[in-house]
Amino acid sequence: DVKVTQSSRYLVKRTGEKVFLECVQDMDHENMFWYRQDPGLGLRLIYFSYDVKMKEKGDIPEGYSVSREKKERFSLILESASTNQTSMYLCATRLGPSYEQYFGPGTRLTVT
Amino acid sequence: GENVEQHPSTLSVQEGDSAVIKCTYSDSASNYFPWYKQELGKRPQLIIDIRSNVGEKKDQRIAVTLNKTAKHFSLHITETQPEDSAVYFCAASKSNFGNEKLTFGTGTRLTIIP
Repeated sequence: DVKVTQSSRYLVKRTGEKVFLECVQDMDHENMFWYRQDPGLGLRLIYFSYDVKMKEKGDIPEGYSVSREKKERFSLILESASTNQTSMYLCATRLGPSYEQYFGPGTRLTVT
Repeated sequence: GENVEQHPSTLSVQEGDSAVIKCTYSDSASNYFPWYKQELGKRPQLIIDIRSNVGEKKDQRIAVTLNKTAKHFSLHITETQPEDSAVYFCAASKSNFGNEKLTFGTGTRLTIIP
């Protein structure tokens, strides 16, 4: 069974704070992803990593950065949180293209 | 890049009836089309997928059809049950290289009326 965990289920931060969201997988998957989910907008890709230390921008990378120093861990960083980054953040992992993506439980981030 | 449109955004059907959700994609090179189901408060999970070398795939009460010429694919759920109530997402991608990404539709909220 693939296990994808995220560091927090709920997080409340203040505007301007630096925020770290962490995702850990235990299946030795090459690819990892960060999405944000907002009502009516579906799942939008922020960044993904197809190998350790490799990263690519997704559709909405502005205001975010990522880090993947180890295969099992993929971090999303909000350098200076803003209220429009209030959202549900979902991490996902997969073995490769055209393989199932396994999602984490999500982190609901509120920026006040 | 790829663009996936999904319709309808909400759908209500009587228990036992069928439900159909439709998606169109823009990149003719896309060749992998999964569907994910997200129940309330839970994470999305893959329910069925289809590759471009087949036109239809079935798994019990769910089926997916693909029309490559028209660049659209559909999810069909027959004999709907209350546990089918969820948000469904279609997606599309190429699968040639390791850095290919999935592009998701905006989701359909399906409600089964008892």
